[in-house]
Amino acid sequence: GENVEQHPSTLSVQEGDSAVIKCTYSDSASNYFPWYKQELGKRPQLIIDIRSNVGEKKDQRIAVTLNKTAKHFSLHITETQPEDSAVYFCAASKAGTALIFGKGTTLSVSS
Amino acid sequence: DGGITQSPKYLFRKEGQNVTLSCEQNLNHDAMYWYRQDPGQGLRLIYYSQIVNDFQKGDIAEGYSVSREKKESFPLTVTSAQKNPTAFYLCASSPRTDTEAFFGQGTRLTVV
Repeated sequence: GENVEQHPSTLSVQEGDSAVIKCTYSDSASNYFPWYKQELGKRPQLIIDIRSNVGEKKDQRIAVTLNKTAKHFSLHITETQPEDSAVYFCAASKAGTALIFGKGTTLSVSS
Repeated sequence: DGGITQSPKYLFRKEGQNVTLSCEQNLNHDAMYWYRQDPGQGLRLIYYSQIVNDFQKGDIAEGYSVSREKKESFPLTVTSAQKNPTAFYLCASSPRTDTEAFFGQGTRLTVV
């Protein structure tokens, strides 16, 4: 089955800096790659996703890149703000299988 | 108000007892999921269902059981065979498996 590895497990940045979180997946048939943000005590919520037919997707300060050959995808957050502090999860799936998540990255943005 | 609802928010049970966690959605989603969240472990898949009366085991299904008799409902039973049941349980649903999943607010189960 699918296996998703996520790095780093913790990330501390200064406000205004960029943050990058990386994930690798094992199943080359996976075609859907979402990123979720979970604030303390709250449910995970989708912040951006990408499909295998697209190499990059951007939404304001957030972007995701996908390298199918290397089987890895990354989340990029620019101009970080204190409210970006949360746990971020990457995931992968394909038709007929559930999302398999990485172990998460705790992002701390200090002002 | 559309969404996915889990109940209760907090649940306590005595060791050796079975307990059922509720998950209901009114989003008309075909797929539903149960995940377990432990500190530093991410979200681990317990069971998922793509359609009524069908479900598949996830990576950590041992000690758990589910049913999918209605499209809207996907209850999870934590049995006494689950060796370490204390955890935060998240239910989710999606139109199909390779689309955005929407999460409930979770149930925190504590075995006392």
